Amino acid sequence: NAGVMQNPRHLVRRRGQEARLRCSPMKGHSHVYWYRQLPEEGLKFMVYLQKENIIDESGMPKERFSAEFPKEGPSILRIQQVVRGDSAAYFCASFPGNSGNTIYFGEGSWLTVV
Amino acid sequence: GENVEQHPSTLSVQEGDSAVIKCTYSDSASNYFPWYKQELGKGPQLIIDIRSNVGEKKDQRIAVTLNKTAKHFSLHITETQPEDSAVYFCAAYRASQGNLIFGKGTKLSVKP
Repeated sequence: NAGVMQNPRHLVRRRGQEARLRCSPMKGHSHVYWYRQLPEEGLKFMVYLQKENIIDESGMPKERFSAEFPKEGPSILRIQQVVRGDSAAYFCASFPGNSGNTIYFGEGSWLTVV
Repeated sequence: GENVEQHPSTLSVQEGDSAVIKCTYSDSASNYFPWYKQELGKGPQLIIDIRSNVGEKKDQRIAVTLNKTAKHFSLHITETQPEDSAVYFCAAYRASQGNLIFGKGTKLSVKP
């Protein structure tokens, strides 16, 4: 997990507020994944991004969720008008973009909606 | 798309015994199969991986085997220790699509 930085580690939001989760990939990595993990469940793919490009967002809910990975700065997962069902751990993973390299995860951001 | 099945969902062993976790995948184009260990409150940590041109890989007490024909791969942990207790996830990756698809996880408990 060394090198993939996520913040905040814990975030509490009231229903209807916005949550922004940030991910800085490992140095030299230009590709980022976001996964969601509900309590006691597995890792569900949400979105796959390259810098300035969304490659696959087939796992993203159609409404309220968006992701970006700008040319400069971290990748951001944005959840608007949060609901209690959004409470989960959100994990970011990065890799260089070469299929021969491994994919490393960050320590996650735990979102609690009250 | 790819579908990864993982069994068992829970596994309890005595310290020193071996543990085996099995996964099957559906997409024959998948070519990379990592295993992750996740401890409570932490992110998934890569413990071993195998590529489709290799049948077996070993790293100390951990080994992974891959049967491309049958489309299944397994994690073997020998001489288990209490600190091996965690949730283990298998995954399959297809370079052309770029997604890493996970199994549902196996909760391993090693009893001292």
